[in-house]
Amino acid sequence: DIQMTQSPSSVSASVGDRVTITCRASQGVNSWLDWYQQKPGKAPKLLIYAASSLQSGVPSRFSGSGSGTDFTLTISSLQPEDFGTYYCQQANSLPLTFGGGTKVEIK
Amino acid sequence: QVQLVQSGAEVKKPGASVKVSCKASGYTFTGYNMHWVRQAPGQGLEWMGWINPNSGVTNYPQKFQGRVTMTRDTSISTAYMELSRLTSDDTAVYYCARPSVAGTHEFDPWGQGTLVTVSS
Repeated sequence: DIQMTQSPSSVSASVGDRVTITCRASQGVNSWLDWYQQKPGKAPKLLIYAASSLQSGVPSRFSGSGSGTDFTLTISSLQPEDFGTYYCQQANSLPLTFGGGTKVEIK
Repeated sequence: QVQLVQSGAEVKKPGASVKVSCKASGYTFTGYNMHWVRQAPGQGLEWMGWINPNSGVTNYPQKFQGRVTMTRDTSISTAYMELSRLTSDDTAVYYCARPSVAGTHEFDPWGQGTLVTVSS
């Protein structure tokens, strides 16, 4: 199974800050990497698919990059509604696996 | 709009089975695999497998093989996930999720989640 490792596990930032979350795969997943945002008590929401493609309706302050084993999710200017936990997921091979999550808090 | 609506919360005793339903609307049910993902309290996301609603073919990760069964009823556009021999470690929110694009593995939308509590 492909292991997905996210860092940091949590981040506290101010409105307007640039926030970067990284995700590393234990083996190459090409560009088959997705990012989700989850708020407490809610289902995850797809933000980025195929490493860098923005899902319809997602604000352009979210962006993704990377390929192979190393990936990044960037929030260019943090907004109050961006709190929550962010997960990466590899979609290259079965079983599908998720990272452990990064909790984003607003200072 | 595309929507997945799941059945309500369940409380089960250890050793029992639970069956969760996921009713799809707003798209052709047989055109997309249906996946199941679970999340234990305060923990991350764990993929449980998928079913092809058209053929009934399933794919489960080794961890759940022999204990999970995914089925569907195309007449009512509903997918089911049954988990047997429950233990306290199976206490979790169970989600159904559909790929955003047929044949891919990025999920949008998701169901609202079904809390399954295993307790004696």
